[in-house]
Amino acid sequence: KQEVTQIPAALSVPEGENLVLNCSFTDSAIYNLQWFRQDPGKGLTSLLLIQSSQREQTSGRLNASLDKSSGRSTLYIAASQPGDSATYLCAVRFPGNQFYFGTGTSLTVIP
Amino acid sequence: DAGVIQSPRHEVTEMGQEVTLRCKPISGHNSLFWYRQTMMRGLELLIYFNNNVPIDDSGMPEDRFSAKMPNASFSTLKIQPSEPRDSAVYFCASSLAIGQGSNTEAFFGQGTRLTVV
Repeated sequence: KQEVTQIPAALSVPEGENLVLNCSFTDSAIYNLQWFRQDPGKGLTSLLLIQSSQREQTSGRLNASLDKSSGRSTLYIAASQPGDSATYLCAVRFPGNQFYFGTGTSLTVIP
Repeated sequence: DAGVIQSPRHEVTEMGQEVTLRCKPISGHNSLFWYRQTMMRGLELLIYFNNNVPIDDSGMPEDRFSAKMPNASFSTLKIQPSEPRDSAVYFCASSLAIGQGSNTEAFFGQGTRLTVV
């Protein structure tokens, strides 16, 4: 079974700070990697999808990078806002079509 | 499209009863995934289908769990008999299968919160 790890498990920052969330995976033969956001009691919302051939993807204040060789991805959030408070999950997809999730990072942005 | 639709949103049942969770994937998607989320274990992949065919059910915890996909627009996850330790949020997700298109972004339903008492 693939291992997907997210560090830190929880993060608390003051509003306006830039921050980085980390995702690491043990098998570099991935097809793509997707970042999700989950609000308490809600489903998962897709934020960014990075194909294995790409190095990064950007959407608004979010930037995700991918380094397949080292088995790592980062999600950069610029100028954080209280509305960014949520749990962020990365999911790695392999050529066999399986989808494995990390344990998530719970983010709190303090006004 | 209305996205991935799951029903019911909440289910409370007594131990030993049969529970059926339902999922309607996004039209045109041919991969469907069932996940279970708990505080202790996070998101666990239970089973996934490609073109209505179960590909990998190694995540199904016990024989009490079964899943079907009779057509491209409907899937069920059944637990019979249910036990208190089955209490969790069950999510369904859909996407295009790898090799079926360039956009294989996965989308999730709102989940079914199951409580077995």
